[in-house]
Amino acid sequence: EVHLVESGGVVVQPGGSLRLSCAASGFTFNDYTMHWVRQAPGKGLEWVSLIGWNGYSTDYRDSVRGRFTITRNNNEDSLYLQMVGLRAEDTALYYCVKGSGSGGPDYFDYWGRGTLVTVSS
Amino acid sequence: EIVMTQSPATLSMSPGERATLSCRASQSVHSNLAWYQQKPGQAPRLLIYGASTRATGIPARFSGSGSGTDFTLTISSLQSEDFAVYYCQEYNNWPPETFGQGTKVEIK
Repeated sequence: EVHLVESGGVVVQPGGSLRLSCAASGFTFNDYTMHWVRQAPGKGLEWVSLIGWNGYSTDYRDSVRGRFTITRNNNEDSLYLQMVGLRAEDTALYYCVKGSGSGGPDYFDYWGRGTLVTVSS
Repeated sequence: EIVMTQSPATLSMSPGERATLSCRASQSVHSNLAWYQQKPGQAPRLLIYGASTRATGIPARFSGSGSGTDFTLTISSLQSEDFAVYYCQEYNNWPPETFGQGTKVEIK
């Protein structure tokens, strides 16, 4: 059974930094693209970033590019999101999400329960 | 940039009724369309991919149809556990960043 468990969400001041982690199990982690998707309180879903199976291919939504960095450790079945220069509009529940494939456009077949990031002074 | 538009925003239905949710893309996404269900306090769950293929464990009362720009999610007979928010997502493009704004199915 696929499990994705996020951690690292806290309350942080504007301009601060944070690193989110996701522990994956139940599938061959290094076979799949992984994503971060976020959801602001009471709002819809917003894709944030992806990383290809081998870690070399990454992409970001425009509003976080240059501030967020996605990485993975295939030896430890872990996904990360380093966030710097945090803004109030980054406040959201961040989900670790498994992509359906290893490259190219894919849908999201498994989701973690999320970790809450609150950016507030 | 593709825009995904879901309608209606809210659907007020009674248990046992048939629910029809719409998702429209601003340009063709072929059949690269997924539907997700999100219940309060829970993570989204994949329902449908490839516009019409049910994900593992999804009941047969959920069906998807459409291709190109117009898609439909149908729940043939609403059960109490089906009252939730439903999102569509296109994955024809890279990165797969486009979700619809969601349709809330609420109890009438």
